[in-house]
Amino acid sequence: AQSVAQPEDQVNVAEGNPLTVKCTYSVSGNPYLFWYVQYPNRGLQFLLKYITGDNLVKGSYGFEAEFNKSQTSFHLKKPSALVSDSALYFCAVRDHMNSGYSTLTFGKGTMLLVSP
Amino acid sequence: EAQVTQNPRYLITVTGKKLTVTCSQNMNHEYMSWYRQDPGLGLRQIYYSMNVEVTDKGDVPEGYKVSRKEKRNFPLILESPSPNQTSLYFCASSRAASSSLPPYNEQFFGPGTRLTVL
Repeated sequence: AQSVAQPEDQVNVAEGNPLTVKCTYSVSGNPYLFWYVQYPNRGLQFLLKYITGDNLVKGSYGFEAEFNKSQTSFHLKKPSALVSDSALYFCAVRDHMNSGYSTLTFGKGTMLLVSP
Repeated sequence: EAQVTQNPRYLITVTGKKLTVTCSQNMNHEYMSWYRQDPGLGLRQIYYSMNVEVTDKGDVPEGYKVSRKEKRNFPLILESPSPNQTSLYFCASSRAASSSLPPYNEQFFGPGTRLTVL
């Protein structure tokens, strides 16, 4: 079975400071990893994904994430936070080893609050 | 504009009264899916569809039905809603990867349907 853990319900950071939103995963094979963002009263929007290759993945709005296989982590990062980054962030995983079209498992979400 | 639409956006109903939430996408995506979002539980997949007439259960399918008669539409049906189905529901779609690999393309989400079952 595949699973995702986002250990922090909320992350607080001051504008201009770097931010990290943590994600760890568990799969039986190689993972496909995703980050999505949800703004208030909106659906989820895709930020970035890791499929294979370079461990550092760059995505939308200046976000990036680093895949660490030994630590089974895929933390989301941004060098300088903006107030407009305040939103709910979801990490998701799909197991490459599953045949066919397996389900995408989401974490519980981490609320990011960026203060002015 | 490429988008996933859901209707209705808000619905209050009573226990046992059948309802349907529609989902439509205009991107010619093969893969469509329904999720429910509950506080502290994140998103959980209800059903998904690989293509027309091909559907499969996700993690929490009990109490729900789906159909995929056309590529663009993927309605969610609650035959006899109960209060524990009060939730925020999202439809999503994506392109399919090759038939030999699980899909890894990002999903496009609809705006959500907030359902309350009294």
